[in-house]
Amino acid sequence: EAGVAQSPRYKIIEKRQSVAFWCNPISGHATLYWYQQILGQGPKLLIQFQNNGVVDDSQLPKDRFSAERLKGVDSTLKIQPAKLEDSAVYLCASSLIGVPEAFFGQGTRLTVV
Amino acid sequence: TQLLEQSPQFLSIQEGENLTVYCNSSSVFSSLQWYRQEPGEGPVLLVTVVTGGEVKKLKRLTFQFGDARKDSSLHITAAQPGDTGLYLCAGEDNNNDMRFGAGTRLTVKP
Repeated sequence: EAGVAQSPRYKIIEKRQSVAFWCNPISGHATLYWYQQILGQGPKLLIQFQNNGVVDDSQLPKDRFSAERLKGVDSTLKIQPAKLEDSAVYLCASSLIGVPEAFFGQGTRLTVV
Repeated sequence: TQLLEQSPQFLSIQEGENLTVYCNSSSVFSSLQWYRQEPGEGPVLLVTVVTGGEVKKLKRLTFQFGDARKDSSLHITAAQPGDTGLYLCAGEDNNNDMRFGAGTRLTVKP
């Protein structure tokens, strides 16, 4: 069974530029999460989708971050414009509905300079 | 403040030693998960504990869920260098969002 796929693995951008991350969850997983993990910390939930609907985006900085999951499968997370403090690993995870166990991708390491 | 508090934050031990790490909260959880994360990788699920007082064993790892379902512990027997990593606990909050603790970073020296 294929795991959660994320791309790119690494990205370096200058502050005020835009960036987008892509995630393809495990087939059949209706729930998809985006997490931000700053170095030395645990993952922080940014947004949770169930199919193509947003379940929770209360911790998403909506002035600069946006995410979509148009067809209930793949998802993209965008940052525009990026700030230095956005430097982190962005993790995508997926799970079956009603099941707490999540499967994570390898993450995208973003460095904002 | 973190919903889930993990301790210790860092732990460095010699190969062959035993250790216990903790995950505590003031909230009750229907379940808690433990993950291990290695550098450059995403977290990998180790176990889910569901029932208060439950004990689960995974080779040299023993997981316990507190009777009140507010805390959990992970005990590793005879640690090996391959156990090195960031150990994270996670639980679903009232909104069914999965929240993580800050993790315990374990280093096992040969």
